[in-house]
Amino acid sequence: GENVEQHPSTLSVQEGDSAVIKCTYSDSASNYFPWYKQELGKGPQLIIDIRSNVGEKKDQRIAVTLNKTAKHFSLHITETQPEDSAVYFCAGSSGGSYIPTFGRGTSLIVHP
Amino acid sequence: SAVISQKPSRDICQRGTSLTIQCQVDSQVTMMFWYRQQPGQSLTLIATANQGSEATYESGFVIDKFPISRPNLTFSTLTVSNLSPEDSSIYLCSVEWQGVGEQYFGPGTRLTVT
Repeated sequence: GENVEQHPSTLSVQEGDSAVIKCTYSDSASNYFPWYKQELGKGPQLIIDIRSNVGEKKDQRIAVTLNKTAKHFSLHITETQPEDSAVYFCAGSSGGSYIPTFGRGTSLIVHP
Repeated sequence: SAVISQKPSRDICQRGTSLTIQCQVDSQVTMMFWYRQQPGQSLTLIATANQGSEATYESGFVIDKFPISRPNLTFSTLTVSNLSPEDSSIYLCSVEWQGVGEQYFGPGTRLTVT
């Protein structure tokens, strides 16, 4: 089955800096890669996703890139703000089931 | 997207008892899922619940311990039976949206077993 590795486990940045979280996956059949943000005491929230026919996708301050050859994808957050502080999960799934395998999560801390 | 609510939001239960968690969606959905998230950990899929069929359980999870109902396209329940302290966790329901792979999660139920 799919295995998703996520790094780093903790990321501390100053407000206004950029943050990058990286994930690798093992199953070459995986074609859907969502990213979730989980704030304390809340359920995960889908913030952006990318499908394997696209190399990059951007939504305001967040962007995701996908390298199918290397089997890795990354989340980029620019101009970080304290409200970006949360745990971020990457995931991968293959078409058909769309049941994602989640990474272990990255705790992002943005210092004012 | 879908709006999902869960009841209760949290509970403290005695060892050996059971807790039933309800999940309500504001739209009809085919696939619903139940996850467990232990403190500081990632999400582990317990089972997939489709309306009109038996739930499909992942390895390590059994129906006797985690019975699931899915009576219609907007509602599901998960029961955690014969509770032990190891069952202390956050339990999350989610739905797959319109066959495009997007999953939306409820706010979670925080269970503490004493």
